[in-house]
Amino acid sequence: DAGVTQSPTHLIKTRGQQVTLRCSPKSGHDTVSWYQQALGQGPQFIFQYYEEEERQRGNFPDRFSGHQFPNYSSELNVNALLLGDSALYLCASSLSGGDQPQHFGDGTRLSIL
Amino acid sequence: GENVEQHPSTLSVQEGDSAVIKCTYSDSASNYFPWYKQELGKGPQLIIDIRSNVGEKKDQRIAVTLNKTAKHFSLHITETQPEDSAVYFCAAPPGSARQLTFGSGTQLTVLP
Repeated sequence: DAGVTQSPTHLIKTRGQQVTLRCSPKSGHDTVSWYQQALGQGPQFIFQYYEEEERQRGNFPDRFSGHQFPNYSSELNVNALLLGDSALYLCASSLSGGDQPQHFGDGTRLSIL
Repeated sequence: GENVEQHPSTLSVQEGDSAVIKCTYSDSASNYFPWYKQELGKGPQLIIDIRSNVGEKKDQRIAVTLNKTAKHFSLHITETQPEDSAVYFCAAPPGSARQLTFGSGTQLTVLP
């Protein structure tokens, strides 16, 4: 049973560029959440997608956007990259009900030069 | 919103000893409390969780206790082994929200 998979594993971009990160949820899961983890800190919630719609959003600017596809996979897009966007981006999948366990992928390490 | 505080930030124990990590949360409506283990270069791995209708849950060497009145919950690892060395995070959802607010993490080192 495949867990949550993310691609790519590493990415290097320069300031002002745009990036797209991808996530495939664990089999049977229909909800995808994205988190940003800065070095030495806990993950911070960006947004959650369910039924192809953004269901909840954390305190992140509009430069961060996402999409969910009919097969439940998801993309995170970040525009106008800033140095401060350098972080590990984590995808978590879960079932749609309340208080469902979230299972994380190994993330995409994004470095901005 | 939810505020989750975690202590200690670092913890070193001898192999075979017990380790305890504590978290407090601010939103009294929170009712689900997971713990994650994150190894270097990996994503957080769910190791145990507890819901507010129980006070304690055990899974082999790992246990979690919850005190809803005091708004704190703790992770207990017994008979620690070197492979338990990792960063551990507690988390809680703000109220009925589905997102998780994480603590700042505890670096656990088990010394052989």
